Amino acid sequence: EVQLVESGGGLVQPGGSRRLSCAASGFIFNIYSMNWVRQAPGKGLEWLSSISRDSSTIYYADSVKGRFTISRDNAKDSLYLQMNSLRDEDTAVYYCARDLGAGDFRRLDVWGQGTTVNVSS
Amino acid sequence: SSELTQDPAVSVALGQTVRITCQGDSLRSYSASWYQVKPGQAPVLVTYAKNNRPSGIADRFFCSTSGSTASFTITGAQAEDEADYFCNSRDSSGNHWVFGGGTRLTVL
Repeated sequence: EVQLVESGGGLVQPGGSRRLSCAASGFIFNIYSMNWVRQAPGKGLEWLSSISRDSSTIYYADSVKGRFTISRDNAKDSLYLQMNSLRDEDTAVYYCARDLGAGDFRRLDVWGQGTTVNVSS
Repeated sequence: SSELTQDPAVSVALGQTVRITCQGDSLRSYSASWYQVKPGQAPVLVTYAKNNRPSGIADRFFCSTSGSTASFTITGAQAEDEADYFCNSRDSSGNHWVFGGGTRLTVL
């Protein structure tokens, strides 16, 4: 079964740091680009960052650029998100998502169940 | 522009047809995908590209694009279709994903 499982969420104080992990199984992890997407309470989906299969190409949304760092370890079939300088507005459910296809057929086809980060003092 | 605009809420009578739209300049260059999100659950890809559905997705879900507007249609809406629906595409640079603000669908 193709599966993504996030972990690492929890309560963190403003200005603090947190590292999220996403464990992949059921597919060949190292041939797919991967993404982080979040959903704040009562809000919509927000794409945060993507990383190519060999980590050579990385993109960030303006809202997290300079504070968050995406990385992956293909030997461990794992994706990571290092979050620094956390703010109240970073409180959200964080999802990892697989990037499948090319051109017009590109989509985020597999999502994890999410891990919740609560930034609060 | 990198924005995708959706109506915040739409309602449909049980068994009827409903269309949800998504507007954005980038849709003239890039295709849209649609995701269903139910409370407490992860997003689920329901349609993508030129009216494609992943395996296991109901065939009452359709998508299309005309110019800068992408549309998601449910023919014969069911109670279990009540959810938030988000369109998704690339921004004008082609490097970033962007989501619409979401449409809450109520099945009456």
